[in-house]
Amino acid sequence: GQNIDQPTEMTATEGAIVQINCTYQTSGFNGLFWYQQHAGEAPTFLSYNVLDGLEEKGRFSSFLSRSKGYSYLLLKELQMKDSASYLCAVSTSGTYKYIFGTGTRLKVLA
Amino acid sequence: GAVVSQHPSWVICKSGTSVKIECRSLDFQATTMFWYRQFPKQSLMLMATSNEGSKATYEQGVEKDKFLINHASLTLSTLTVTSAHPEDSSFYICSAGTPQSGTSGRYEQYFGPGTRLTVT
Repeated sequence: GQNIDQPTEMTATEGAIVQINCTYQTSGFNGLFWYQQHAGEAPTFLSYNVLDGLEEKGRFSSFLSRSKGYSYLLLKELQMKDSASYLCAVSTSGTYKYIFGTGTRLKVLA
Repeated sequence: GAVVSQHPSWVICKSGTSVKIECRSLDFQATTMFWYRQFPKQSLMLMATSNEGSKATYEQGVEKDKFLINHASLTLSTLTVTSAHPEDSSFYICSAGTPQSGTSGRYEQYFGPGTRLTVT
């Protein structure tokens, strides 16, 4: 079967660094996406990894290890507005469907 | 670029009626559109994949006769919730997908703003 796991909730302090993990088992792999979603809104794109390694984009970085079926999203210098759900999604080859992880609700405290 | 719109943004309907939700890619042609459902505090669940001019492919457990999908053009897909019941109340999100030019193998989905359906 296909399975993508993330922690359900995380809490961190403003200005800190937080790492959100994602482990996956899917039939086929054509890249992994991270999205941010505020309540009642559509997901917004954060990052994309298809090769092993770290991709850095401002305060956000994402890492991928295909052999381990593992990715993480690293958020630095946390701000209150970063309080949101973070979704890991695997693009499966062939159909290009996304399989979404369970999502992680991040709460940033002052 | 890559803007996807949904209409309506929210709708309230009575139990037993049907509701149609439109998904449009405004500035690009989408080879495939996807429909998701999201319950409160849960992740997105893929309902179906639709390609222009062909029948939609439904995920396991999704009733194709209840959730009718029509993909009439490369920029428009519609989802009709037939004989809606309170348990169909949810946040419905569409996405339009297209291969990325110049990036080998990358296929990206662009998400609409979502439609909040409440069935009373």
